Amino acid sequence: DAGVIQSPRHEVTEMGQEVTLRCKPISGHDYLFWYRQTMMRGLELLIYFNNNVPIDDSGMPEDRFSAKMPNASFSTLKIQPSEPRDSAVYFCASSLAGVNTEAFFGQGTRLTVV
Amino acid sequence: GQNIDQPTEMTATEGAIVQINCTYQTSGFNGLFWYQQHAGEAPTFLSYNVLDGLEEKGRFSSFLSRSKGYSYLLLKELQMKDSASYLCAANNFNKFYFGSGTKLNVKP
Repeated sequence: DAGVIQSPRHEVTEMGQEVTLRCKPISGHDYLFWYRQTMMRGLELLIYFNNNVPIDDSGMPEDRFSAKMPNASFSTLKIQPSEPRDSAVYFCASSLAGVNTEAFFGQGTRLTVV
Repeated sequence: GQNIDQPTEMTATEGAIVQINCTYQTSGFNGLFWYQQHAGEAPTFLSYNVLDGLEEKGRFSSFLSRSKGYSYLLLKELQMKDSASYLCAANNFNKFYFGSGTKLNVKP
């Protein structure tokens, strides 16, 4: 398997624009996570899915953020409208079911909102 | 709530041993994971502990005390390539909560 695949790797956009980040988890994994990493706040869990169903979105900072998982092999994180403070690296990760199985991370999307 | 603390930065010498500590307070707990993250790259899994005690994997070992909410990662025979950030993460029923990471600088 190629691992968790994210696109794009880099995104630069203007404030107010819509941004969509994409993720393909490892085939057969039951869980998918979206994280945001900044110097100030570290790695924050935004939302996670189990078998394509959102389980906990309490980490989503505002209504401007939304995430979907229409099928087992694809998820999106959308920011609309984007703001400069959304600039960060966004990671997608996936894992198998089981209490102690590790999460595998994608290479991340570095988002810059100007 | 979730609270995970690690030192921000550490420096050690090539060939030496370094211990990176992590304390955690979480509303639920199933295990403690350690990840390595090189600058500009994704976190990669190193080890995990479910029960109290020491787990050894080559040059890396990790220890857990559940009663104290404490873990450490021990790196032996440090190499320059070990310069990276080390993240501890508490697992709570498949949710991973990460500390801010400890940046380790290995000097010659």
